[in-house]
Amino acid sequence: QKEVEQDPGPLSVPEGAIVSLNCTYSNSAFQYFMWYRQYSRKGPELLMYTYSSGNKEDGRFTAQVDKSSKYISLFIRDSQPSDSATYLCAIHNPGIQGAQKLVFGQGTRLTINP
Amino acid sequence: DSGVTQTPKHLITATGQRVTLRCSPRSGDLSVYWYQQSLDQGLQFLIQYYNGEERAKGNILERFSAQQFPDLHSELNLSSLELGDSALYFCASSPRRGGWYNEQFFGPGTRLTVL
Repeated sequence: QKEVEQDPGPLSVPEGAIVSLNCTYSNSAFQYFMWYRQYSRKGPELLMYTYSSGNKEDGRFTAQVDKSSKYISLFIRDSQPSDSATYLCAIHNPGIQGAQKLVFGQGTRLTINP
Repeated sequence: DSGVTQTPKHLITATGQRVTLRCSPRSGDLSVYWYQQSLDQGLQFLIQYYNGEERAKGNILERFSAQQFPDLHSELNLSSLELGDSALYFCASSPRRGGWYNEQFFGPGTRLTVL
């Protein structure tokens, strides 16, 4: 079983729609959960990170973690064509302190149609 | 622009060859990470260095090696290249050592094609 599972899509929605992206993970020891955005031919950039369970909001983006079901979500409100990218969930595998191994989902390719 | 630089942008080589990818972290960042991104495996952690020392290891093949130099730049060496090594290789850096989680900033990547 993969440590992190993410539906690769692709996902195509009209401009203005609410987008929901999801991942599941297997190890209950994970504490830090991240969402990265990757535009074509670019490196991933961090959108948001969340520690433990709960919600975190940043503008049109909301990250949600449900540790009881090992499920993480990213919601995008009022989606824009500029949001078209691949979205990767990532989990910090703690290991020893100072070791920063990130485990990524497969990435979901999102297209927002004008 | 994350502040992490990688060279070269593209690399085309033949099977059996050896290549070196270079990464310069953001100013002041002591940790450098290498990741491999391929269509079938996704983005996978290879190795982390902190201030010149290996800190964590992922699914890095024995044919691959890395090092971090005193000026904190890092190199990833790939040898006896195979077709399956064709991928995007990303370097990332993070700003501090303390704590369990430090944000990683990714470079633009090196696209390696093995023919």
